[in-house]
Amino acid sequence: GAVVSQHPSWVICKSGTSVKIECRSLDFQATTMFWYRQFPKQSLMLMATSNEGSKATYEQGVEKDKFLINHASLTLSTLTVTSAHPEDSSFYICSARDSGRQGSYNSPLHFGNGTRLTVT
Amino acid sequence: AQSVAQPEDQVNVAEGNPLTVKCTYSVSGNPYLFWYVQYPNRGLQFLLKYITGDNLVKGSYGFEAEFNKSQTSFHLKKPSALVSDSALYFCAVRAINTDKLIFGTGTRLQVFP
Repeated sequence: GAVVSQHPSWVICKSGTSVKIECRSLDFQATTMFWYRQFPKQSLMLMATSNEGSKATYEQGVEKDKFLINHASLTLSTLTVTSAHPEDSSFYICSARDSGRQGSYNSPLHFGNGTRLTVT
Repeated sequence: AQSVAQPEDQVNVAEGNPLTVKCTYSVSGNPYLFWYVQYPNRGLQFLLKYITGDNLVKGSYGFEAEFNKSQTSFHLKKPSALVSDSALYFCAVRAINTDKLIFGTGTRLQVFP
């Protein structure tokens, strides 16, 4: 089955530093990937849509300069949390859709296992 | 704007009993509906989807869901719950001509032995 690998699974960093999270589709190509943020006991909040070879589309209220997204290839998207602060501590999850499948528009998203970020 | 509501924060059920996790949606046009399950500190796993066709959809691990257009509902069901079904369940909707998946707030299912 389709696998999305997200790395690292957890990271602890100091306030003011930057952290990069990688999301890879291992056995399929994904022209579009999605980044979500999940707070404790809350739903997933869509942060941005990552488009291969073009700029990401950010949801309202998400700071694009703080959450940098790069989608340089059909199998890799990265989210960089710049100048992290304790309020950025959260669980970040990426997802991707197999763009190579016929009718992929209706196919389910495949999710990574998430990255727990703790900013001290 | 499209939205999904999961009215129950938590559902408790005894092992072996049937379970239902509720979901209602609001979307313009025909909805594409999904159910996902999340185990602690993990990403989401796809359970089932409704795109078109038969209103009763069967998915992974013995789960099924019934699409009810008049009630705008897509409740998740299983005839006999297992302790291992205990997890967080999310309903999601995507409207036609959009690429975004909007999730409900999640329902924690607790199955007691």
